[in-house]
Amino acid sequence: QLHLQESGPGLVKPSETLSLICTVSGGSTSSSNYYWGWIRQPPGKGLEWIGSIYYTGRSYHNPSLKGRGTISVDTSKNQFSLKVNSVTAADTAVYYCVTVHPVDTGMLRTPGYFQNWGQGTLVTVSS
Amino acid sequence: DIVMTQSPDSLAVSLGERATINCKSSQTVLYSPNNKDYLAWYQQKPGQPPKLLMYWASTRDFGVPDRFSGSGSGTDFTLTINSLQAEDVAVYYCQQYYSTPFTFGQGTRLTIK
Repeated sequence: QLHLQESGPGLVKPSETLSLICTVSGGSTSSSNYYWGWIRQPPGKGLEWIGSIYYTGRSYHNPSLKGRGTISVDTSKNQFSLKVNSVTAADTAVYYCVTVHPVDTGMLRTPGYFQNWGQGTLVTVSS
Repeated sequence: DIVMTQSPDSLAVSLGERATINCKSSQTVLYSPNNKDYLAWYQQKPGQPPKLLMYWASTRDFGVPDRFSGSGSGTDFTLTINSLQAEDVAVYYCQQYYSTPFTFGQGTRLTIK
């Protein structure tokens, strides 16, 4: 059974960089069976997709972050990570790491539905 | 971006009765080459991460009880919960994976009447 665990600081100062790591167990980040992704949920609000990355390094990001977000995969550590720079209070949220089931779209395998979720970690942006 | 709109925002249903949640997309999520709707449903119980219920609009994920069913195609979709149980109290979200940015509905809060 695949398990995901988020880790990282729970408090980040405005204008600094939010950095989170997701550690994968029960599966491999070098597998072609999954994309790996991040989703966030501001307190009391709905879900926002941040981005997804494949083991090849192909990635997709939500333009709503205006280029501030970066997702990467470290297959040697079986982890993937999220960095969001220049954070503001609007970035305060529970951040979930997820496995993303690939789907066929034309000649590509693109990210699909979010199959496994970590427990989530609350990141608060405040001075 | 594809906008996903759920209705109602909240719903109270008696135990044992049927709950129906609707989801409408601002453009089709039906991919014609494979005739599949790129739509998923999730359940989020209080204090927990969301859980995948349904994908391809109507395929239940492993272990999801068969009282949950999904229907619809194109732009209009429905999640139906038959014989409502107390454990079904949650917020339900639809999500499209047809095109990026992937987007969710605003959520429907289901409670017991």
